[in-house]
Amino acid sequence: KAGVTQTPRYLIKTRGQQVTLSCSPISGHRSVSWYQQTPGQGLQFLFEYFSETQRNKGNFPGRFSGRQFSNSRSEMNVSTLELGDSALYLCASSFSDVNTEAFFGQGTRLTVV
Amino acid sequence: DAKTTQPPSMDCAEGRAANLPCNHSTISGNEYVYWYRQIHSQGPQYIIHGLKNNETNKMASLIITEDRKSSTLILPHATLRDTAVYYCIVDGYGGSQGNLIFGKGTKLSVKP
Repeated sequence: KAGVTQTPRYLIKTRGQQVTLSCSPISGHRSVSWYQQTPGQGLQFLFEYFSETQRNKGNFPGRFSGRQFSNSRSEMNVSTLELGDSALYLCASSFSDVNTEAFFGQGTRLTVV
Repeated sequence: DAKTTQPPSMDCAEGRAANLPCNHSTISGNEYVYWYRQIHSQGPQYIIHGLKNNETNKMASLIITEDRKSSTLILPHATLRDTAVYYCIVDGYGGSQGNLIFGKGTKLSVKP
């Protein structure tokens, strides 16, 4: 079956702009999570959605937001982009809210100039 | 903060076993130990997880000490494709795996 799909793969934006990233989870998975990866901070949890509800949120400013649709697809939005938002944004999906593995997408590489 | 401590880097000869240690001295009774790896420029990949018994699957074996304060991931016959950053993560039972706290991980270099 198809894996986690993230679009676009690469993106270049200018400071002050906003950006929307998309994630399609594996069919049947209801949990979708987002992570930011930078060389300095490593992999950091952004937020998790389960059945269209945000269940957990990491320590990021309010400029970072997300949502999940009824088909479990998810989007994350970053407003008023800063140079420090340049990162690899990873989406992960898992089957349910029991102890199962997470499947990660290839990520979206965002560069803010 | 991550609940685990791992060496920043390790080398392994191709074909030999790679033993990656992880310290999780503050682990609580209902928390599992998970291992993921990230090959350069790809998303992390699940390897294995366990609670207190040793576990084995097609990719690796997980050895957890009796006091559960540390564990070792074993790749029995490392190949060049196993070169990656390996993350040891402690996560509570019932967790959706949707809120993983990654540490710095161990960069494993498999050499010919």
